[in-house]
This record gives sequence, structure tokens and C-alpha cells, in this order.
Amino acid sequence: EDQVTQSPEALRLQEGESSSLNCSYTVSGLRGLFWYRQDPGKGPEFLFTLYSAGEEKEKERLKATLTKKESFLHITAPKPEDSATYLCAVQAMRETGRRALTFGSGTRLQVQP
Amino acid sequence: GAVVSQHPSRVICKSGTSVKIECRSLDFQATTMFWYRQFPKQSLMLMATSNEGSKATYEQGVEKDKFLINHASLTLSTLTVTSAHPEDSSFYICSARVGTGVGSGNTIYFGEGSWLTVV
Repeated sequence: EDQVTQSPEALRLQEGESSSLNCSYTVSGLRGLFWYRQDPGKGPEFLFTLYSAGEEKEKERLKATLTKKESFLHITAPKPEDSATYLCAVQAMRETGRRALTFGSGTRLQVQP
Repeated sequence: GAVVSQHPSRVICKSGTSVKIECRSLDFQATTMFWYRQFPKQSLMLMATSNEGSKATYEQGVEKDKFLINHASLTLSTLTVTSAHPEDSSFYICSARVGTGVGSGNTIYFGEGSWLTVV
């Protein structure tokens, strides 16, 4: 069974204080690892897809990295508008059947001015 | 970029009635869409996989007769909550995949979500 564990559950940062969010996963063949941002009452907003260990992707203050067991979302010099819940999800490599994402429980990030 | 749209964003219905939620892919065709449910401060739980032109695949514990899914076209999937009860109140979110293969281009977008309140 695919499993995704995110830590910490909640994180409070001061504006400009860089940090990293962790996503540990177990999956029977990784098709893709996804990062999303979710604001309260909204659907998840796509950030990144990572496909293989060693891959990195960046978008503004966010950088996602991937190893064979975990992924990190690095936030550099965060701003209050980066406050949100960040979700990690995996998609398994299957020819048929379930190809939906398995989500972690998320990290609630609060960036204080 | 690709956009997935849901309607309505909020709906209130009486117990015992049925309510339909639509999920549309606006600028791409989606042979497969997914329906999730999310409770407050919890993560997304997959309810079912909606396949265009065939029956939906439901996750264990999800009542197929209560949550009817129809994927009549490549751009539209609907979720109908039948005989709704207060415990069905939740945030329902659909998603669709852009791209067909392994590697770059496999992106899954989500709709804005639909808040259902059953009174």
C-alpha cells in the first residue's frame, strides 16, 4: 500500500526565515511525486511534479527535491503570502487500476510578518 | 495552463434530497478524472476514479449507489450525492490529468472544490 508522511504537521516561520518541509513516501514504483499548495476552502494548486531521484525543480521561493525515499520542499526567504497548507502526493507506476494520487496529511505553514 | 472547473462552489441541500456537482476540464480532454473528499484540517481522500464512457471505480468503503459518478464526455464528470444526510457534508474536489505517459507532462490539476452542506 502506498504511504505518504509529511512533517512537520505545522510550521510557523518569521518572514525571511528559510526552512524545509519533508515528505517521506513508500510506493510500489514511483510514477511521479507531486507538491501542491492549498489555501483554506480552495482546491489544491499545482506546484511541481518530480519523477526520479536527484531531480530538482524551482518556482519563485520554492524548490522541490527528490530522493528514493523522500522529497523536500525548500522555502527560501518566505513571505506572509506563502502561508498555506502544502500537500505532497505520490502516483504509483501501474498499468491498470488505481492511478490516483495518494496524499500526505499536509504541512500547515504560517509565515509571520 | 490547464484548468479544471467545478460547479457549484457551495451548495446547501435538505436531508433526503440529491445534489449534483460538475467537474469540467476547460482546455484539455480528460479520459480519467478523480473525485476526492476532504474533511476540515484533513487531507484528501480518494472516493472514486471516473472513466469516460465506462463505469467509475470506487474506493473501498465508498457507496457507489450513494455517490453516483457519470463521465459522459471527455471534458465533464459529475458526482451526484443521493439521499444526502448531514454526515455527507464535506468539501468535494475533482481532479484531472494532463499528459499521458511517464516523465515530463504528467500533471494533475484540481478543481476549486465544492462545499456541500446538508441540513
